[in-house]
Amino acid sequence: EPEVTQTPSHQVTQMGQEVILRCVPISNHLYFYWYRQILGQKVEFLVSFYNNEISEKSEIFDDQFSVERPDGSNFTLKIRSTKLEDSAMYFCASGPPAGLGYGYTFGSGTRLTVV
Amino acid sequence: AQTVTQSQPEMSVQEAETVTLSCTYDTSESNYYLFWYKQPPSRQMILVIRQEAYKQQNATENRFSVNFQKAAKSFSLKISDSQLGDTAMYFCAFMKDFMDSNYQLIWGAGTKLIIKP
Repeated sequence: EPEVTQTPSHQVTQMGQEVILRCVPISNHLYFYWYRQILGQKVEFLVSFYNNEISEKSEIFDDQFSVERPDGSNFTLKIRSTKLEDSAMYFCASGPPAGLGYGYTFGSGTRLTVV
Repeated sequence: AQTVTQSQPEMSVQEAETVTLSCTYDTSESNYYLFWYKQPPSRQMILVIRQEAYKQQNATENRFSVNFQKAAKSFSLKISDSQLGDTAMYFCAFMKDFMDSNYQLIWGAGTKLIIKP
């Protein structure tokens, strides 16, 4: 069964450093998402990406965050200057062009720890 | 704005018992999708079951079934013959059914389910 692949599985970074979280969505999918989950809290929407541009972003997704699809297969989330409160599990998800009501496919997540 | 509420922070049952997790939601939309996701200790997010709001029939996937009450805006998950591997966080999620929504998932706070041997 096709998978969404996220790397790294765990990243530890110093506060103020830039991090790039990587995702390889399922190849024929057109909708891409980043969600995050702070430990013990709700899953929160960060951003959706469709047709090579951001289609919606939450208030969490401020100027410190950016996404891109650099080569048509990878989908990256960059945090420019990490803060302690960015420590969370970050999930990438992708959905097919039709049938999003079937639910997306999530990656296994990247655990980001900012120290 | 849509909201999803899971009123049970934690539940535990004995192996082989049946357990029901509750979820209510608030929306003015007539068509939408509802999902239950499972998050085991590995923290992977796994789709358990889905329901389309315009379908009257409750969805079933093996030991997992839902009780969808559209008028009451309720979407509970029943796990029959529970197994140790069912131990996980369970999240209820809502998705509006149109393009302008960007198909964003709105999540409940989750219910931690513990299956005891």
